Amino acid sequence: GAGVSQSPSNKVTEKGKDVELRCDPISGHTALYWYRQSLGQGLEFLIYFQGNSAPDKSGLPSDRFSAERTGGSVSTLTIQRTQQEDSAVYLCASSLVGLNTGELFFGEGSRLTVL
Amino acid sequence: GQQLNQSPQSMFIQEGEDVSMNCTSSSIFNTWLWYKQDPGEGPVLLIALYKAGELTSNGRLTAQFGITRKDSFLNISASIPSDVGIYFCAGRKDSNYQLIWGAGTKLIIKP
Repeated sequence: GAGVSQSPSNKVTEKGKDVELRCDPISGHTALYWYRQSLGQGLEFLIYFQGNSAPDKSGLPSDRFSAERTGGSVSTLTIQRTQQEDSAVYLCASSLVGLNTGELFFGEGSRLTVL
Repeated sequence: GQQLNQSPQSMFIQEGEDVSMNCTSSSIFNTWLWYKQDPGEGPVLLIALYKAGELTSNGRLTAQFGITRKDSFLNISASIPSDVGIYFCAGRKDSNYQLIWGAGTKLIIKP
């Protein structure tokens, strides 16, 4: 696609439910990143994919968080048994190659609200 | 996680004023990036810096890669209403490290 596409753009869920957030990166971009941004805060790194593998998942805050990427393209971030502190905007970004290049292209984010 | 020290945290300015913000670190970086985030959007890259001392402009924006490689500056000249948003710096130490992000500078233009 022309840009990084994320869905849903907004998700309201009840505490304890599972949610899935989807990211469709720019076509041909091998690297994919998930970040979390709480209200008024900076970007918190969650996980990095190169192709389908995740060499760096050090930012995932707990084992309730997982992510996968298939076909070197679409990625899904899953949050199980959501908690109120999971409420944030989840941003996905992609880049042409890996960590040693500058430009990350971001999607518009998925805003998650856990009631 | 590790963050860069970005300041100021927020700025209230008049339209037409010049703006300066910076990021500092105790570590040496090989790459400095400046992003802008509009409300409800993802960050967009403004300027990328790859060499110590480098000064790069993008329209009314000018960014510099500090000579010590531990800091970077972003200046906006003659601010206009569409400049409002959050500006993030990001740095990379070397090709094996991910980007490290500043906490952002929120720019607000007084009516």
